[in-house]
Amino acid sequence: DTEVTQTPKHLVMGMTNKKSLKCEQHMGHRAMYWYKQKAKKPPELMFVYSYEKLSINESVPSRFSPECPNSSLLNLHLHALQPEDSALYLCASSQDPDTETQYFGPGTRLLVL
Amino acid sequence: GESVGLHLPTLSVQEGDNSIINCAYSNSASDYFIWYKQESGKGPQFIIDIRSNMDKRQGQRVTVLLNKTVKHLSLQIAATQPGDSAVYFCAENWAGNQFYFGTGTSLTVIP
Repeated sequence: DTEVTQTPKHLVMGMTNKKSLKCEQHMGHRAMYWYKQKAKKPPELMFVYSYEKLSINESVPSRFSPECPNSSLLNLHLHALQPEDSALYLCASSQDPDTETQYFGPGTRLLVL
Repeated sequence: GESVGLHLPTLSVQEGDNSIINCAYSNSASDYFIWYKQESGKGPQFIIDIRSNMDKRQGQRVTVLLNKTVKHLSLQIAATQPGDSAVYFCAENWAGNQFYFGTGTSLTVIP
């Protein structure tokens, strides 16, 4: 199984809503990542989890809150988002923090109204 | 057909021709590079990688060339097919598990 799955595929939310994005992998990978991708732009790193601990936060606003409940799951909790937060949110994983090859999920396309 | 990365973000090639997608990376300390393919509505898909101690690596129909002197990376796709139409990103790594993606090049294959 070399798949990273993400749910939901699409999400529409208002600026006062609270929602969560979910990511799952069963490859035994110990590093997981959240990226944000705007249309026609490259992915931008948001967070890195290594062995279920947050190791990198790329100065992401606090309205984005990551969580890693276990080695297979990664969540991104969303609260009080702005319309400019509308984007494709990608999850990725790698075998461990020192193995660089990352495998991406299909993404969640988020629209904030 | 050939792109020059940042200066020509779109590339159109005839089916069956070879494609060359270029990338100018930013950090001379980068020691690992990946090419990703991203189709519309999907996440990036790993194509091929290369480490800085190599200057060429071949896969199935794809070849990556690395020129560290001028900080240039290229992806060559042989006998381009319609299914190769996508955006191609190069990504460089110099700090553990952090990757930095290039601007991307959109490849369109004309049947």
